[in-house]
Parts: sequence; structure tokens; C-alpha cells
Amino acid sequence: LAKTTQPISMDSYEGQEVNITCSHNNIATNDYITWYQQFPSQGPRFIIQGYKTKVTNEVASLFIPADRKSSTLSLPRVSLSDTAVYYCLVGDGGGYQKVTFGIGTKLQVIP
Amino acid sequence: GAVVSQHPSWVICKSGTSVKIECRSLDFQATTMFWYRQFPKQSLMLMATSNEGSKATYEQGVEKDKFLINHASLTLSTLTVTSAHPEDSSFYICSATNTGRSYNEQFFGPGTRLTVL
Repeated sequence: LAKTTQPISMDSYEGQEVNITCSHNNIATNDYITWYQQFPSQGPRFIIQGYKTKVTNEVASLFIPADRKSSTLSLPRVSLSDTAVYYCLVGDGGGYQKVTFGIGTKLQVIP
Repeated sequence: GAVVSQHPSWVICKSGTSVKIECRSLDFQATTMFWYRQFPKQSLMLMATSNEGSKATYEQGVEKDKFLINHASLTLSTLTVTSAHPEDSSFYICSATNTGRSYNEQFFGPGTRLTVL
């Protein structure tokens, strides 16, 4: 299983764009990159998933360089409610392979 | 769509008793479900992979006789913590992958807070 490395914590003011980068040097050819958000005492919630280049949905963008050894989650104009832990996961696109959660990035949004 | 529920959401029990936690995929079929444990201020730790109709696969260090997993149908997996002790107090989370989807997106339940007195 590809190991991921993220910053332990980040602070941001409300309204700013936040970029969280994840390193996954050992990513395999068929691995997808998935980001989850977790609030205290809740299960993780899917944010976005991608394989290469750029993916955008209604809540975030995911940038993946050509070598796929890293990825960056971009949250536009964060609000206080975006304060949470963000996990980057790398796993098989088949949907059945287990994934390993890293320590995640604790994002604190400041008023 | 793709909702996973857990029951109960929290439970308090006495040391030595057994506790069963249910994980259900409400609107999709899940051949595979995963059980995680999360201690305060820590990440999720995978305990076991639950496969419908077969025995669960446990991660190293997880006692299969203590954490009994049953995946009897495509929408239900149960985790039974047998003879629970205070050190088993934790947040237990399940997830399920949608059999019909082509990529790896796990849908997580809301979690179950277990407190063993």
C-alpha cells in the first residue's frame, strides 16, 4: 500500500484559499488518490478523487502532477465550518482494496 | 445515495460484557465492508476487511476471537466486541464500497462510540 505524507496541521483565515499537499512517492499505476474530510466524532466524508491532472467538483479541486507522486487538495474560500481533519488516501481503483489512513492534516479556520 | 448507517451511535457497557455494532449500506450493495477503530486525536486504524459470505480478514495485531465480524448479507456487517474491557473504549467506524461502482470510493458510517466501564 502506498504511504502518504501530509502536514500535521494548517491554519487559515476565513475566505482564503487553502492548499493541502500530500506526498505519495510509491503510488502504483492503478492507484487513485482520494481525499476525505472528518469532523470530530463523525465518520470521514468523501471530498474528491482523481487519477491524474486536475479534478474539480462543487467543493474542491484536486491537482495531480504528471508523475503522480504528490497531489494538492484546494479548498476555495474556506469558512469556519471547514475546520476538520483532511486525509489523503491512495488505493486501488477497483474498489475492494483496503486503504491506509495517514495521520491527516488538521485544518483550523480562523475568523 | 450511498448512505452507510451504524447502530448504535453510542453505547456504554460494563467490563466483561459483549457489544454488537451493526453497519448497513442503505441504498447500495456492498460486497466488502471495512471496520476501523479510532482513538482520540488519532487517525483511523483498519481492523478488518469484511467480505459477504466469507470470513473476515483481520489486520495484524487485531484479535479475531475478540472482535467477531459477520457479513451475512450484501447490506449488513456486524462487529461484536466480546468480553469488552476499558481499553476497548474507542470510536468504531465502518465503511463500504459500492459493488456497482468502478472506482475506489469508500462510504463511511457515522461511527459508534463505545465506552467500557
